[in-house]
Amino acid sequence: DTEVTQTPKHLVMGMTNKKSLKCEQHMGHRAMYWYKQKAKKPPELMFVYSYEKLSINESVPSRFSPECPNSSLLNLHLHALQPEDSALYLCASSQEPTGTLYGYTFGSGTRLTVV
Amino acid sequence: GQQVMQIPQYQHVQEGEDFTTYCNSSTTLSNIQWYKQRPGGHPVFLIQLVKSGEVKKQKRLTFQFGEAKKNSSLHITATQTTDVGTYFCAGLENNDMRFGAGTRLTVKP
Repeated sequence: DTEVTQTPKHLVMGMTNKKSLKCEQHMGHRAMYWYKQKAKKPPELMFVYSYEKLSINESVPSRFSPECPNSSLLNLHLHALQPEDSALYLCASSQEPTGTLYGYTFGSGTRLTVV
Repeated sequence: GQQVMQIPQYQHVQEGEDFTTYCNSSTTLSNIQWYKQRPGGHPVFLIQLVKSGEVKKQKRLTFQFGEAKKNSSLHITATQTTDVGTYFCAGLENNDMRFGAGTRLTVKP
């Protein structure tokens, strides 16, 4: 299995809702990442988990809360989002924390719309 | 912090023409990676360059890493419609991987 699987593929949520994005990989990768991508922009790093520990938090608002239950799973909990948070949320993984061996493997993303 | 600048922002070519995108960093990079994102898709890893002056080829794609490890380029020879997409470079400095803004390539058949 050489894929990163993200669910759901699409999500529409209200500003008072609580939802979670899920990401799964079974490649034995030890680093997992959350990126946010707005239209026609590059991916922006949000969080990095290295060996299941949060190693980088790029000053992301607290309405985004990451969780890494085990080495194969990564969640992003969403609460009280704003319309400007609408974007494509990409999960990625790499064999080791710097992705210097085989790069990052990205999931197909969750397209989030906040109404 | 580290910034990776990428040009051009857009490139429109006739099928069969060549295409080049450039990345420049203000600081020395440990490595540089290249990704392709098709319209509506997600980034897909193409290649990584690590050594100063390194050149790698993948069929019609040629990747170069500058001698000072501050710049890189991706050159596509004789573009095809399947080359359409956005090409991102991503530079690694001190375990911090940052994406360039990307070059959006469109190819007219």
